[in-house]
Amino acid sequence: AQSVTQLDSQVPVFEEAPVELRCNYSSSVSVYLFWYVQYPNQGLQLLLKYLSGSTLVKGINGFEAEFNKSQTSFHLRKPSVHISDTAEYFCAVSDTGRRALTFGSGTRLQVQP
Amino acid sequence: GAGVSQSPSNKVTEKGKDVELRCDPISGHTALYWYRQSLGQGLEFLIYFQGNSAPDKSGLPSDRFSAERTGGSVSTLTIQRTQQEDSAVYLCASSVMSGDNSPLHFGNGTRLTVT
Repeated sequence: AQSVTQLDSQVPVFEEAPVELRCNYSSSVSVYLFWYVQYPNQGLQLLLKYLSGSTLVKGINGFEAEFNKSQTSFHLRKPSVHISDTAEYFCAVSDTGRRALTFGSGTRLQVQP
Repeated sequence: GAGVSQSPSNKVTEKGKDVELRCDPISGHTALYWYRQSLGQGLEFLIYFQGNSAPDKSGLPSDRFSAERTGGSVSTLTIQRTQQEDSAVYLCASSVMSGDNSPLHFGNGTRLTVT
């Protein structure tokens, strides 16, 4: 079975500060990893994904994430956040044989002026 | 083009009543998923359809929940004899196909409140 843990339910940060949203997963097989974002009153959309190759993945809006197999982590980072980054961020995992994604409980990023 | 459309956007029902939630996926997408999002919880997988294959129902929480997909397009999630713990946002997503990790496109969800 696979699972995803997002340790921080809320992350408050000031505008232009760096941010890291943590994600750890467990799976007995190789995995694909994803971050989805849900802006207020909008549906979820894909931010970035790791399938294979380079462990550093770049996504939309200046976000990036690094796959660390030994630590089973896929933390999301941005060097300088904007007010418009305020949203809920979901980490998700899919093992290579399963079709449906398993999502974490989400992290609410609150960017303050 | 049009995205994933869900209706109704909000539904309030009395405990014990049946409800139907509808999802119109993106045209041409063969994979369709239903998830449930409860307050403070992640997205809970419910059911998955891929083309004409038998659906993966492994996430349905009880036999009060069922779903169908007609003609490989529109899907309906039915909850019979609703309970208060069924209150949640029900999300539908579609993708071009499964197994290739193409991104899921989500609808805005149906917020179900059981009183």
